[in-house]
Amino acid sequence: QVQLQESGPGLVKTSETLSLTCTVSGGSITNYYWSWVRQPPGKGVEWIGYIHYSGNTNYKSSLRGRVTMSVDTSKKQFSLKLTSVTAADTAVYYCVRGWTYFDYWGQGTLVTVSS
Amino acid sequence: EIVLTQSPGTLSLSPGETATLSCRASQSVSSNYLAWYQHKPGQAPRLLIYGASSRATGIPDRFSGSGSGTDFTLTISRLEPEDFAVYYCQQYGSSPRTFGPGTKVDIK
Repeated sequence: QVQLQESGPGLVKTSETLSLTCTVSGGSITNYYWSWVRQPPGKGVEWIGYIHYSGNTNYKSSLRGRVTMSVDTSKKQFSLKLTSVTAADTAVYYCVRGWTYFDYWGQGTLVTVSS
Repeated sequence: EIVLTQSPGTLSLSPGETATLSCRASQSVSSNYLAWYQHKPGQAPRLLIYGASSRATGIPDRFSGSGSGTDFTLTISRLEPEDFAVYYCQQYGSSPRTFGPGTKVDIK
């Protein structure tokens, strides 16, 4: 059974960089697309972007310029960096498998942005 | 981007009843590329339906999806206690992928 686990700081200061890593277990990281989605408290789910195991990326246009995703196939991990964060970036962040529908999800990690 | 609207916001039902959840898109969803997810507190969301009507692996047949174009429905027959959760629809016919705001199915 494929499992995804997010890791990273739960608190990030305003204007700094949010960094999260997702570790894939129980399955291969190769031959798949991997995405990040987030859900601010009390709000809807937002797709942030995807990375292919080859390293190709595609980000939501409204976040382009602040988002960078990377992948390390040897460690079966992929990562998210979001720069210049504000309170609007406070959310539960999920790593997921896929680029169309998302068939496996991590449990999510709450990242709070505060000064 | 395609905006998805879900109704009702909350559905209060008893075990054994049938839940009918609606997802409406602001424009036609290409190839009916619509998915449904179940989300329980503290758990990872679970894919239920993709392609509007195809059940994901391991999903019981009491979950069924239907619809096309801009109007889609998730039907949960014979509600079991473990079915009480929040349900989201998501379109993947165009980019960016977008989600509906969710319908909460709670116990009456």
